[in-house]
Formats: sequence, structure tokens, C-alpha cells
Amino acid sequence: AQSVTQLGSHVSVSEGALVLLRCNYSSSVPPYLFWYVQYPNQGLQLLLKYTSAATLVKGINGFEAEFKKSETSFHLTKPSAHMSDAAEYFCAVGPGGATNKLIFGTGTLLAVQP
Amino acid sequence: DVKVTQSSRYLVKRTGEKVFLECVQDMDHENMFWYRQDPGLGLRLIYFSYDVKMKEKGDIPEGYSVSREKKERFSLILESASTNQTSMYLCASTTPRQGNSYEQYFGPGTRLTVT
Repeated sequence: AQSVTQLGSHVSVSEGALVLLRCNYSSSVPPYLFWYVQYPNQGLQLLLKYTSAATLVKGINGFEAEFKKSETSFHLTKPSAHMSDAAEYFCAVGPGGATNKLIFGTGTLLAVQP
Repeated sequence: DVKVTQSSRYLVKRTGEKVFLECVQDMDHENMFWYRQDPGLGLRLIYFSYDVKMKEKGDIPEGYSVSREKKERFSLILESASTNQTSMYLCASTTPRQGNSYEQYFGPGTRLTVT
């Protein structure tokens, strides 16, 4: 069975500081990994995805994530936080079985302080 | 651009009412999903459908049913709304066609309040 763990339900950083959101997964098959972002009262928007190509994946808005098989991790980073990055971030792993299900983490709420 | 739309952004219903949440996608996707989102619990899968008239239960199907009569439309039904169904409901779609990476496309969500 697949699962995702996001460490830290709330993370607070200062504007301009490094953003690091942690995600660990477990999967018995080669995983596809995703980071989604959710702004207040909106749906989820894809930030980036890993699909077994390059282990360092670049996404939108300056975010990137590195797939580390030995650590079963897929942490999300951004060198310099911006106020507009304040949102909730979800890590997800797939495929969840024969259908195209994704397994989502419980989310990390990022606050950016001025 | 893939577009997933949901019939209402905000909805207020009374306990015991039958509630319909509609979702439409315009990308000819085979698979569609309904999730509910609650603080601290992330996204939990209620039901999903992999083809017209085909459906499978997700992790929390109790109190819900679904309907998929056309490929582009997937409806979530609360047979008799209860206060513990107050939540954010998210619809998503994807395709199993070769080359797809299982990425799901989400609608804007419906925030349902049951009083």
C-alpha cells in the first residue's frame, strides 16, 4: 500500500527566507510524486511532478523538489519566500492501485511573515 | 487548458435535505473523483468513476452516492445531509491514456455547510 507523510502541519518563514516543506512516501512500485498548492477557498493546482525522469524537478513559481529514493523523500523547496507563497501545500503519490488514484498527505500550511 | 467546474462555490443546506453537487470536465477524461477536505485530515476520497456508469467506493463513502450518466459529468449526492458532512468538496479528473502521469486536475471546490 502507498502512503504519504508530510512533516509539519504548519510552517512559518520570513519573507526572503528558504522554504522547505517535507514529504516522505512509501510505495511498493516506482512512484509518481506530486506537489499541489491550494490558495484560500480555491481548488488544488499542480506545482510540480516527478515521473521517473530527472530527480530534481522544477515547478512553477520558483519551487523545486528532489526525489531521493534512498530516503523515500520528495521535499519541496524555494530559495526565497514571497508573501504570495502563503497557502496550503499537499504532497501526493500515485498510482494508487489499478486505477489512477493518488494518495494525498494531510497538507502543510505555509505562513510567510513580512 | 483543462477545465473542471463545480456547480456551486458555496452551499448552505438543512439537515435531512438531499444535496446534489455537480462536476463537469471538458478534457474527455475517463476518470473522475470526489474528495472531501477537512482541516488536519487532508483530502479523503469519497467515490471515483473510471467510466460512464462505473463507480467505486473510496475511503469514506458512507452517506454519499454518485452518478455518472455522461463522460463529462460526475455528481455527488448526499442522500440525507447531516451536520458532520459540512466540509469542502473537491472534484478532480484524469486520464489513463499512455503518457499521462496520473496528474489530477481539480475544480475550485464547493464549501458545503449543513445546519
